[in-house]
Amino acid sequence: EPEVTQTPSHQVTQMGQEVILRCVPISNHLYFYWYRQILGQKVEFLVSFYNNEISEKSEIFDDQFSVERPDGSNFTLKIRSTKLEDSAMYFCASNPDASEGYTFGSGTRLTVV
Amino acid sequence: DQQVKQNSPSLSVQEGRISILNCDYTNSMFDYFLWYKKYPAEGPTFLISISSIKDKNEDGRFTVFLNKSAKHLSLHIVPSQPGDSAVYFCAASAGNQFYFGTGTSLTVIP
Repeated sequence: EPEVTQTPSHQVTQMGQEVILRCVPISNHLYFYWYRQILGQKVEFLVSFYNNEISEKSEIFDDQFSVERPDGSNFTLKIRSTKLEDSAMYFCASNPDASEGYTFGSGTRLTVV
Repeated sequence: DQQVKQNSPSLSVQEGRISILNCDYTNSMFDYFLWYKKYPAEGPTFLISISSIKDKNEDGRFTVFLNKSAKHLSLHIVPSQPGDSAVYFCAASAGNQFYFGTGTSLTVIP
């Protein structure tokens, strides 16, 4: 069964450093998403991406965040200068159509120290 | 502002019995609803969905009911199995963005 792949599974970084979280969505999917879940809290929407541009973003997705689809397979989330409160599980997701259920990756646990 | 609420943080059910997980929402524009299951250290897994034109959708042991007038949906699992033990999230959308509830942790006791 096709999977959404995320790397790394765990990333530890120092406050103020840049991190790039990587995702390989399912190959025939057209819509891509990043969500995050701070420990013990709900899953929160960050951004959706379609046709090589951001289609929606939440208030969380400020100037410190950016997304990119650098080639035909990868979808990345960059945090420019990490803060302690960025520590969370980050989930990538994709779907073939915006109205369909998502396929989520297994997540990247980001720890900012 | 929490548009999707799951008021029961946890639920325990005996194996073989019915599990009922509940979800309430506030935005009447929501027209698509999903349930996800999440095991520890894994991403959410899509379980079942329902659009606002229906009031019931069934897939094997899982049935989702939608009551639009009450802005309420529920997930029924019959019969419950120990492997169903996980955190269940409901989510709702009115476009490209989904709003998740905080989850209900289901424990199925063998």
